[in-house]
Amino acid sequence: GQNIDQPTEMTATEGAIVQINCTYQTSGFNGLFWYQQHAGEAPTFLSYNVLDGLEEKGRFSSFLSRSKGYSYLLLKELQMKDSASYLCAVNQAGTALIFGKGTTLSVSS
Amino acid sequence: EAEVAQSPRYKITEKSQAVAFWCDPISGHATLYWYRQILGQGPELLVQFQDESVVDDSQLPKDRFSAERLKGVDSTLKIQPAELGDSAMYLCASSTGEKLFFGSGTQLSVL
Repeated sequence: GQNIDQPTEMTATEGAIVQINCTYQTSGFNGLFWYQQHAGEAPTFLSYNVLDGLEEKGRFSSFLSRSKGYSYLLLKELQMKDSASYLCAVNQAGTALIFGKGTTLSVSS
Repeated sequence: EAEVAQSPRYKITEKSQAVAFWCDPISGHATLYWYRQILGQGPELLVQFQDESVVDDSQLPKDRFSAERLKGVDSTLKIQPAELGDSAMYLCASSTGEKLFFGSGTQLSVL
């Protein structure tokens, strides 16, 4: 079966750095996605990791360790507009993306 | 930039009524998905199409839900009859590879 775990909520202040963790258990792992979703809107793509290591894209970075079934999304220089839900999703061979329940990040001034 | 189109954006209906949602994927995207997202949860797959064929509908409540993609382009998701527990965001997505592109969704409220 598929199991994806991420914290339900996190809080941080403007300008800070926050790390959102995701652990997963799967068979036939074929990559891991992070999506951002603002309230009432559709998820938008942030990052995709298929190999171990760190992928950096501006203020956002994503890390993957396949042997540990672990990923994190790192957000630097936080801004108020980063307040959103962050969804970890696993691509399992032969199936559609399976999403975690999401982590709601609240950024305060 | 091409987008996945969905309509309506919002739908309010009474239980036992029929509702339908429409999705037009990004041109050229052969794979189309319908996901349901309950408030505070992640999206859950209802049905996946490859062109006009259903690839996975194992989580679709077939006693009341139906989905079609007759010409392998746009798609319709129908619920009949709607129940209170169907209140959720219904998201359509399309892809050519692993990355999914989502539409704005239809927010359904069943009263």
